[in-house]
Amino acid sequence: GDSVTQTEGQVALSEEDFLTIHCNYSASGYPTLFWYVQYPGEGPQLLFRASRDKEKGSSRGFEATYDKGTTSFHLRKASVQESDSAVYYCALSDPGANTGKLTFGHGTILRVHP
Amino acid sequence: GALVYQYPRRTICKSGTSMRMECQAVGFQATSVAWYRQSPQKTFELIALSTVNSAIKYEQNFTQEKFPISHPNLSFSSMTVLNAYLEDRGLYLCGARLWTGSSDYTFGSGTRLLVI
Repeated sequence: GDSVTQTEGQVALSEEDFLTIHCNYSASGYPTLFWYVQYPGEGPQLLFRASRDKEKGSSRGFEATYDKGTTSFHLRKASVQESDSAVYYCALSDPGANTGKLTFGHGTILRVHP
Repeated sequence: GALVYQYPRRTICKSGTSMRMECQAVGFQATSVAWYRQSPQKTFELIALSTVNSAIKYEQNFTQEKFPISHPNLSFSSMTVLNAYLEDRGLYLCGARLWTGSSDYTFGSGTRLLVI
């Protein structure tokens, strides 16, 4: 079945540091890839998505590029802020299966210190 | 904008009792609703996908007998956790989408279930 792997369980950075959270996926077909962010006490919010190889998604300074060759969708941000502290989830959906199911990774806790 | 409200936000029930949670879509028509559970140590587990005027599809390890879902119209869905036990603890999330061809879900803030 489809799966998403996030390498980092937790990341601790200082403000203005560069952020990378690694995401690799396994799916048949050509999945749509997502990054969600979840703040304490809230549900996950969509950051952005990408549907095609080499497509870049971006929002609020975060970005990720769909790479079918390496089956990756790594999240990056050039300069993090304390307000970016949250849990980040990589997810995929397989349009070919037409189920509408989102498969999530286990999440990465990001803590940014002032 | 599109919003999804879930209530209650938090609830406690005694082991062996049941608990109903509700999901309201505001600002859009929720053709399809996905119920997820987020447990400690686990990521989001899909419980079931519900589409108006279609059968509700449950994932493996989740059944209608344990998690009956109602989705009577385009703005409302409810799910009950029957005979709740400790392993049912977690954050139950409702995600709604406008049309079945989309995988863009708007999630509510969840209902946190504690079982004592």
